[in-house]
Amino acid sequence: GNSVTQMEGPVTLSEEAFLTINCTYTATGYPSLFWYVQYPGEGLQLLLKATKADDKGSNKGFEATYRKETTSFHLEKGSVQVSDSAVYFCALSGGYGGSQGNLIFGKGTKLSVKP
Amino acid sequence: DGGITQSPKYLFRKEGQNVTLSCEQNLNHDAMYWYRQDPGQGLRLIYYSQIVNDFQKGDIAEGYSVSREKKESFPLTVTSAQKNPTAFYLCASSIKREAEQYFGPGTRLTVT
Repeated sequence: GNSVTQMEGPVTLSEEAFLTINCTYTATGYPSLFWYVQYPGEGLQLLLKATKADDKGSNKGFEATYRKETTSFHLEKGSVQVSDSAVYFCALSGGYGGSQGNLIFGKGTKLSVKP
Repeated sequence: DGGITQSPKYLFRKEGQNVTLSCEQNLNHDAMYWYRQDPGQGLRLIYYSQIVNDFQKGDIAEGYSVSREKKESFPLTVTSAQKNPTAFYLCASSIKREAEQYFGPGTRLTVT
């Protein structure tokens, strides 16, 4: 069935460092891909999405490109801030892998940014 | 403003009591979902509903029940049969099942 694998955290960076959080997926067909962010004690917020191969999603300085050849959707940001400290979740929906159309989430990667 | 509300933010109950968590959305979304999140863990799907008066079990439905009598509302009842009910519960909605989901702020349930 469909699945999402994220790099394990926690990830600790200094302010203004470059961020990459790896996400790979397993799915047949053409799923949509998402990144969500969760700040402490809050619900998840949609950060960005991509619905077809080679699409680039972007928001608030974060970017991710849907790479079908490598089945990846890595999250990047050129210069992180302390306010980016949160847990980031990669997710997919659709395709033909038996998710019944629901979102399938990775386990989340905790990011801590130090001043 | 459109969005999803969950109430209360914090809920405390004694073991053996049923408790109902509220979820309301004014986004005019057809699909709604309940997830459970444990510390340091990802999300696990409890129940979902695609239309009014219809819902399906997710991956961990045992010990939970839901209803969908109105499009805007999808309450979750945590019954006394749920062995480890203490968790953070998140409600979400989407315009249709495969679309992006929008989440409420969550309810933290503590059962002692």
